[in-house]
Amino acid sequence: AQTVTQSQPEMSVQEAETVTLSCTYDTSENNYYLFWYKQPPSRQMILVIRQEAYKQQNATENRFSVNFQKAAKSFSLKISDSQLGDTAMYFCAFMKPGGSNYKLTFGKGTLLTVNP
Amino acid sequence: DSGVTQTPKHLITATGQRVTLRCSPRSGDLSVYWYQQSLDQGLQFLIQYYNGEERAKGNILERFSAQQFPDLHSELNLSSLELGDSALYFCASSVGDRGLHGYTFGSGTRLTVV
Repeated sequence: AQTVTQSQPEMSVQEAETVTLSCTYDTSENNYYLFWYKQPPSRQMILVIRQEAYKQQNATENRFSVNFQKAAKSFSLKISDSQLGDTAMYFCAFMKPGGSNYKLTFGKGTLLTVNP
Repeated sequence: DSGVTQTPKHLITATGQRVTLRCSPRSGDLSVYWYQQSLDQGLQFLIQYYNGEERAKGNILERFSAQQFPDLHSELNLSSLELGDSALYFCASSVGDRGLHGYTFGSGTRLTVV
């Protein structure tokens, strides 16, 4: 079974600075998908960014980018120019395509606080 | 607004009771996924439906059941409720049966069992 580990339960950053959230995963698969979701105090889960394992280029969405290291099974999220609205719980998630089950397996999350 | 609608937003009920959580997927999405979020277990996949048929089952208890109706809305039924069933229950949807581009989540139903 795939597992996703987020080793930082909590982090904080000053507004306008850059922060990196860590995620590692365990799989024997070669083809899979990785995601970062954000859960603000409103509690809704919002997709931040997505990475396909067979693509070497790191995904980028505006201020959000990832550092995908396939050999190391690492998938970190970098948030540049942090804003107060980035305060949220961030979840790393893994999906292994194939068969009939395309479920997302989530890590335990990292609570990020952006301070003014 | 993500387009995925969950009702009710909050539910308080007693042990032993039965409740029904409702989810309307985003327009055009055929798949519905149910997840349970609790402090100790984190986010756990329960079940997936695609176009009315069960597609995948996860850590769903026998006391729980779900279905997807012809209009594609889904209901999650929780019976013989226990204190440990208190959690946030999310519904998510995707266009196809694979969700490879990520799911769209609703705002969740907060269930409190007392």
